[in-house]
Amino acid sequence: GAVVSQHPSRVICKSGTSVKIECRSLDFQATTMFWYRQFPKQSLMLMATSNEGSKATYEQGVEKDKFLINHASLTLSTLTVTSAHPEDSSFYICSARASGIRGTYEQYFGPGTRLTVT
Amino acid sequence: EDQVTQSPEALRLQEGESSSLNCSYTVSGLRGLFWYRQDPGKGPEFLFTLYSAGEEKEKERLKATLTKKESFLHITAPKPEDSATYLCAVGQTFGIGTKLQVIP
Repeated sequence: GAVVSQHPSRVICKSGTSVKIECRSLDFQATTMFWYRQFPKQSLMLMATSNEGSKATYEQGVEKDKFLINHASLTLSTLTVTSAHPEDSSFYICSARASGIRGTYEQYFGPGTRLTVT
Repeated sequence: EDQVTQSPEALRLQEGESSSLNCSYTVSGLRGLFWYRQDPGKGPEFLFTLYSAGEEKEKERLKATLTKKESFLHITAPKPEDSATYLCAVGQTFGIGTKLQVIP
């Protein structure tokens, strides 16, 4: 299957600082990328959908000024958590969608980034 | 609002003991039901996409089926390495998953 990388895998930062997470599709072009967060024993919650060259679409309740998403190319999307606070500590996962035949598609996930804000 | 419910939340099987995981859904328009496997501390791994009732897909010991209201993930003769959380999703709405543990 297709490979999606995510960097860093773990990051610890102090409250008030900003953190950037990179998501890359390594062997395919992804016109659409997704960002999720996952709390322990909970399911993935979609934060935003990102299309290459366009502004991201944020889910209800997700602050767009706090979670900045840039999808600069068909293989790279970044999520910047600005002025991070301890409640932002979570597991952040990106995903990239690959188009298949006849409108079908498959979605591939990165390995995730564990963010801890102290 | 799309809803996805998975059952059971946890399942413990002996190696070789076949079973099924359930995913029931309510959506305004199905554009694909997805199954993923997630290991602890990792991102989900794509398994299957199903688009229409009656569709079935297989991969090794796993077989996914779809009806108009639910999907099943059948696991035949599981091995310890099949232990993981299995997630079902409709679009971008995910269930909470079934945590499967296969005992040698």
